[in-house]
Amino acid sequence: AQSVTQPDIHITVSEGASLELRCNYSYGATPYLFWYVQSPGQGLQLLLKYFSGDTLVQGIKGFEAEFKRSQSSFNLRKPSVHWSDAAEYFCAVGGKPSGSRLTFGEGTQLTVNP
Amino acid sequence: GAVVSQHPSWVICKSGTSVKIECRSLDFQATTMFWYRQFPKQSLMLMATSNEGSKATYEQGVEKDKFLINHASLTLSTLTVTSAHPEDSSFYICSATGANTEAFFGQGTRLTVV
Repeated sequence: AQSVTQPDIHITVSEGASLELRCNYSYGATPYLFWYVQSPGQGLQLLLKYFSGDTLVQGIKGFEAEFKRSQSSFNLRKPSVHWSDAAEYFCAVGGKPSGSRLTFGEGTQLTVNP
Repeated sequence: GAVVSQHPSWVICKSGTSVKIECRSLDFQATTMFWYRQFPKQSLMLMATSNEGSKATYEQGVEKDKFLINHASLTLSTLTVTSAHPEDSSFYICSATGANTEAFFGQGTRLTVV
């Protein structure tokens, strides 16, 4: 069975500080990994995805994530956080690039202090 | 990215009535659509998967007679909450995926049953 763990329920950082959100997955085959962001009362927006190739992937809004197969991790990073980054972040794993169900982590709530 | 439109954004209904939520893919053909339910401060729980022209596949514990899903075209899926009760109040989110596209999410629907 596939699963995703986001160990940090809530993270607070100061504006301008660096950010790393952790994600660990369990999947029996080749994982397709995603990070989504959700603002209050809104749907999910795709930040980035990893299917294959370069293990460091770049996304929108200055985010990047690194796939580490040996650690079953796909951590999200940003060098300098902006106040507008405050939101809920979800890591997800699927069985193929498209058309497959996604399993989501519990989410990490990001608070940004001025 | 592709656009998925979900309507309505919020709805209040009386207990015992039915509510229909629409999910439309505006610029691609959605061969598969997913319906999720999200409780406050929690992750997304997959309710059902629907493929165009086929009956939906429901997750364990989801009442198919209560949550009716129709995916009659490649651009539209609907979720009808029948005989709604206060415990059905929640945030419902759809996502759509095509043959070569990852999942894109609607804006979500806040359902309140009074």
